[in-house]
Amino acid sequence: NAGVMQNPRHLVRRRGQEARLRCSPMKGHSHVYWYRQLPEEGLKFMVYLQKENIIDESGMPKERFSAEFPKEGPSILRIQQVVRGDSAAYFCASSPREARGQPQHFGDGTRLSIL
Amino acid sequence: AQTVTQSQPEMSVQEAETVTLSCTYDTSESDYYLFWYKQPPSRQMILVIRQEAYKQQNATENRFSVNFQKAAKSFSLKISDSQLGDAAMYFCAYRRDDKIIFGKGTRLHILP
Repeated sequence: NAGVMQNPRHLVRRRGQEARLRCSPMKGHSHVYWYRQLPEEGLKFMVYLQKENIIDESGMPKERFSAEFPKEGPSILRIQQVVRGDSAAYFCASSPREARGQPQHFGDGTRLSIL
Repeated sequence: AQTVTQSQPEMSVQEAETVTLSCTYDTSESDYYLFWYKQPPSRQMILVIRQEAYKQQNATENRFSVNFQKAAKSFSLKISDSQLGDAAMYFCAYRRDDKIIFGKGTRLHILP
């Protein structure tokens, strides 16, 4: 019973390039959440998606960041024209359909480093 | 807006001893959920314990227990018989609807 799968585990990009982070939720989970963790900080909510819908993107920067969760395939967090300040660990979590109050199950994260 | 505060950036405890990590939160809601997550050096996020606000009984998971004081909006984590493998960052978290709000964490050191 695989958990939340994130890839890559580590991603290095130069300033101005694009970063694509992937997340496959646990089997049977249709809700996906993305969080960002800056060094020595807690996780900060970015966006919540269900299949083909963005439900809440209140934590996501308005520019350069986008997220999707297509009908088929993993959820993608895309960061365009990356800058040094985008260096962080990005965590994906998933929960079942009727999930209120249930804990979110986290992936191992993608560590993004910007040169 | 909901906030979660962990006032202890770092703590240390002797192996086999008991340690309590503090957490307070701010909310105007009456129905919500609280969690403690552990993040070891591998940086995984591991759920330690979960508390439903409508339950008065404190949650317990083996050596981990909480002291949930709803009126005081306090949710502390007690680790009994501390082990070397307990060394990690511990995050207190609040969930009302879909997003989880995390505190800044407490780094726990276990002294052999």
